[in-house]
Amino acid sequence: GQQVMQIPQYQHVQEGEDFTTYCNSSTTLSNIQWYKQRPGGHPVFLIQLVKSGEVKKQKRLTFQFGEAKKNSSLHITATQTTDVGTYFCAGRGTNAGKSTFGDGTTLTVKP
Amino acid sequence: GAGVSQSPRYKVAKRGQDVALRCDPISGHVSLFWYQQALGQGPEFLTYFQNEAQLDKSGLPSDRFFAERPEGSVSTLKIQRTQQEDSAVYLCASKTGVASGYTFGSGTRLTVV
Repeated sequence: GQQVMQIPQYQHVQEGEDFTTYCNSSTTLSNIQWYKQRPGGHPVFLIQLVKSGEVKKQKRLTFQFGEAKKNSSLHITATQTTDVGTYFCAGRGTNAGKSTFGDGTTLTVKP
Repeated sequence: GAGVSQSPRYKVAKRGQDVALRCDPISGHVSLFWYQQALGQGPEFLTYFQNEAQLDKSGLPSDRFFAERPEGSVSTLKIQRTQQEDSAVYLCASKTGVASGYTFGSGTRLTVV
């Protein structure tokens, strides 16, 4: 079945440094979504990418979808302590109703 | 309602006990999903409904797991004869359509002792 892998598993940064997490799927995706989960909380939807090569920005966050629609990345510029949490990607295969989540990248930010 | 509501928030069950977890999705959301999240891992798909129809139950770990959504709104996930490996957070999510993002509930943390 479809597998979604994320790296790195953990990332520790100093406040103000940049952060990137990468997501790779074993199969071509129809879309990819990104979620943020704060400690003790539930995943919260951030964004969805659909088109090959698509790039979307939300303030300091930049999301990219690969040309082959099998990989994606999330980049945060100048991290803040409010960015702490686990970032998950979730890929939906073609002809699939469900999305498959990666195991996430947990970001900690040292003030 | 304004969000996805799940109950109970926490459940402690003795091994062998049956449990029922409830999910009340956002009004009007056609699609409803159940995911299981173990500590330190991403949510793992269990099953999903479109209205009252269960379209995919391929993620249910065994025949001890059963889900229903009889009237196309509230859903119940039932686990029979619970075992320790069933301990996890059970997340319910709803969405307006296939192409939209999930809105998750706060989850039910199940601990089997």
